[in-house]
Amino acid sequence: AQSVTQPDIHITVSEGASLELRCNYSYGATPYLFWYVQSPGQGLQLLLKYFSGDTLVQGIKGFEAEFKRSQSSFNLRKPSVHWSDAAEYFCAVGVGQAGTALIFGKGTTLSVSS
Amino acid sequence: EPEVTQTPSHQVTQMGQEVILRCVPISNHLYFYWYRQILGQKVEFLVSFYNNEISEKSEIFDDQFSVERPDGSNFTLKIRSTKLEDSAMYFCASSDTPSYNEQFFGPGTRLTVL
Repeated sequence: AQSVTQPDIHITVSEGASLELRCNYSYGATPYLFWYVQSPGQGLQLLLKYFSGDTLVQGIKGFEAEFKRSQSSFNLRKPSVHWSDAAEYFCAVGVGQAGTALIFGKGTTLSVSS
Repeated sequence: EPEVTQTPSHQVTQMGQEVILRCVPISNHLYFYWYRQILGQKVEFLVSFYNNEISEKSEIFDDQFSVERPDGSNFTLKIRSTKLEDSAMYFCASSDTPSYNEQFFGPGTRLTVL
């Protein structure tokens, strides 16, 4: 069955430090992978997506993610975290015949310390 | 910037009552979705909808649930007879194309069943 695992429930990073959020997926076919961010009281906002091609994808707000098929991973990174990055981050895989269903991980809450 | 809106932001109901959650997708979008997130758990896909038909649905989306696009702007999720375990945050999303394209999410409706 398809699944997404985000091993870290909560991460705290100092402002200006680098960030890596882990995501592992289980899916039989070529995965279509996404990272979404949710700020309090807001909907989920797409940060970036991977469909095919270059395994390093760039997103909004300075985020990037690298797809590693051999490790079934799609980790999210940012070289220098800002206080405004504090939010909940969700990794997701697109599944289904029409490709419309997203399967989400449980999310990682990012706190940023000054 | 166009956005998905949802009403109400919080709905409290008694077990066994019917509830209708409302969503206004982005105006030129044709594909609509509902997801839910039980507190402390992952975001779960419920259903996708296109051309007045359900495209895909998950095992969660049983006969107690239904969706409708009653007019040109609204997209609704009805729960016929609510159960305690229906308490969750319900997210509506829309996209302009199917198949792994970006889904734009609303801020959610928190449903509390007493």
